[in-house]
Amino acid sequence: SSEVTQDPVLSVALGQTATITCRGDSLKYFYTSWYQQKPGQAPTLLIYNRNDRASGIPDRFSGSYSGTTASLIITGAQAEDEADYYCCSRDLSGKLVIFGGGTKLTVL
Amino acid sequence: QAQLQQWGAGLVKPSETLSLTCEVVGGSLSGYHWTWIRQAPGKGLEWIGEVNHLGGSSYAASLKSRVTILVDKSTNQFSLTLRSVSGADTAVYFCARGLGAVDGRRWFDTWDQGALVIVSS
Repeated sequence: SSEVTQDPVLSVALGQTATITCRGDSLKYFYTSWYQQKPGQAPTLLIYNRNDRASGIPDRFSGSYSGTTASLIITGAQAEDEADYYCCSRDLSGKLVIFGGGTKLTVL
Repeated sequence: QAQLQQWGAGLVKPSETLSLTCEVVGGSLSGYHWTWIRQAPGKGLEWIGEVNHLGGSSYAASLKSRVTILVDKSTNQFSLTLRSVSGADTAVYFCARGLGAVDGRRWFDTWDQGALVIVSS
């Protein structure tokens, strides 16, 4: 498949670790980036090149990768981390950019 | 730090053409992939396509027959044209700056605030 999929919802207790996953065959060959989107706002780049943190992003955000799964890890989740998170990569042809369907993170 | 400013019609009739323009303020077109991304109400992000500073472009397979993205170096702008629109094209449209490498890496570090385009008669 040329799609990448995410779990639609995830909950995490305040201060605990949240792992948001992105799955797809193309992830074995192409790098992933991650975006945070809060209501009414444009997405913000968090992670690129699978695990490079964008400028100004807190170090509690990190990326990892194994096989056909990429993960965004939030270590010590804060209330302000409640948002939608999207992964982004390439389809299997390598010609097109694709986004995952997004994960809505709730911080309890 | 470059910023993006978008404008265009916010209401388009079905079967007509959606046109949006994005200006790159405080930065150069060179070396980047200028991208349009949309988000239907309550839905996720959808990549529409991109153009580089030389005019090379690529488009989402589902939209390829209806979309054109152009770059204008003289005005530091790039544009989106989507023909034969329907209600399914109602969305917030974002323009974004893409970075990447020849191995296909792509990430989007700068976005505009987005603009809602409604397709309705």
